[in-house]
Order: sequence, then structure tokens, then C-alpha cells
Amino acid sequence: DAKTTQPTSMDCAEGRAANLPCNHSTISGNEYVYWYRQIHSQGPQYIIHGLKNNETNEMASLIITEDRKSSTLILPHATLRDTAVYYCIVRNAGGTSYGKLTFGQGTILTVHP
Amino acid sequence: NAGVTQTPKFQVLKTGQSMTLQCAQDMNHNSMYWYRQDPGMGLRLIYYSASEGTTDKGEVPNGYNVSRLNKREFSLRLESAAPSQTSVYFCASSPRGSGGSSYNEQFFGPGTRLTVL
Repeated sequence: DAKTTQPTSMDCAEGRAANLPCNHSTISGNEYVYWYRQIHSQGPQYIIHGLKNNETNEMASLIITEDRKSSTLILPHATLRDTAVYYCIVRNAGGTSYGKLTFGQGTILTVHP
Repeated sequence: NAGVTQTPKFQVLKTGQSMTLQCAQDMNHNSMYWYRQDPGMGLRLIYYSASEGTTDKGEVPNGYNVSRLNKREFSLRLESAAPSQTSVYFCASSPRGSGGSSYNEQFFGPGTRLTVL
């Protein structure tokens, strides 16, 4: 699986957009980019995923560069409840992967009032 | 739907004791997983079950056994607990057994906090 690199921590003001970057320069053609987050003392929560097109859902937007070597998760209007550790994961969609996700250190996002 | 439920929420064991962590999902998912998370670290996969009747080892299976009792339930057993197994244990499930990008959309339970003295 492609390795991902994320900043250790980031801050954001409440109501502003939070832009979380992720580098995955060794990503291969059949690997998707997944984002999860983990709020303190809770289980991880799936946010969004994409292959090469930009994606948007009710939680966030995912922007993937044209060369697919990096991506950005955007929380358009961050709230205090978005304070969490955000994980960027690159993984094959299926085959023998059987959904075995590899969670790295992630980015600690702190949203300030 | 309750989603993924785990019992117990907290547990303290003495070294050498055994116990079983229970996990159930009501989303009719094919695949289920057990992870552990140690302080300041990401999650590591212990065992997974791609579909009912099958189980396989993940990244850190030593010291654990699993049972996929039926489609809903996936239990994790510690036969002889050790202090190194002090951790938070998360169970997860996903909707597909193989293939498809949603394969990696996993839904997690609230976790079991285990301390082994």
C-alpha cells in the first residue's frame, strides 16, 4: 500500500474552512484515498473516499490532484465538534485486501472558538 | 439501527486470565474486523472475517483468537491475558465481502478499554 504523510497537527477557527493535506506520492492506479476521523475516546468514523475525481458529501469535500500524489480534505465550516484526529488512508478497493485499513498517526485538528 | 455494539465497555484483568470481547452489528454487513489502539498510535488490525464462516489474521494476531459466530457476531478471545494486551479494542464491519470501493467503508463500535495488571 502507498504510504501517506500528514502534518502532525493543525488549528482552525470555528466557522472557517479546515483544509487537511495528505501526501501519497507512491499511490498506484487502483488505490483509493480514504479519510476517517476519530473523535476523542470514540471509534473511527468514515468521512469520504475517492479515486481521481473530486468528491463531496454531507460531511466534507475531497480534492485529489491530477497526478494523484496528494489530496486535501476540506471541512467547509468547521465546528468545535470537528476537533479530532484525521486519518488519510490509501488502499486497494478489494481483491485480497479484505478492507485491511492501515491507520497511521493522522493529523490532530483542533477547532478554536 | 444500533450499528456496531461492543461489550463490555471496560474490563480489568489479571495476567493469565481469559476473557472474550463481544461484537455485534445489525447492518447486515459481510465483513467484520478487530483492531487494537495503543496510546498515541493508530489502529492495528488483529483479525478479520471477510464473510460468515471465514476468519484470517491481521497485523498483530498473536495472543488472540476469534470466532465468527454468525453474520452478526464476531468475538475476540484472549486465552491468557498479558500486560502488553492493555489497549482499546475496536470492532468494525463493512458492507461488502470483496471488491468495490465501499469495501473500505468501515463502521466502528465504541470500543472496549482493557487493562491487564
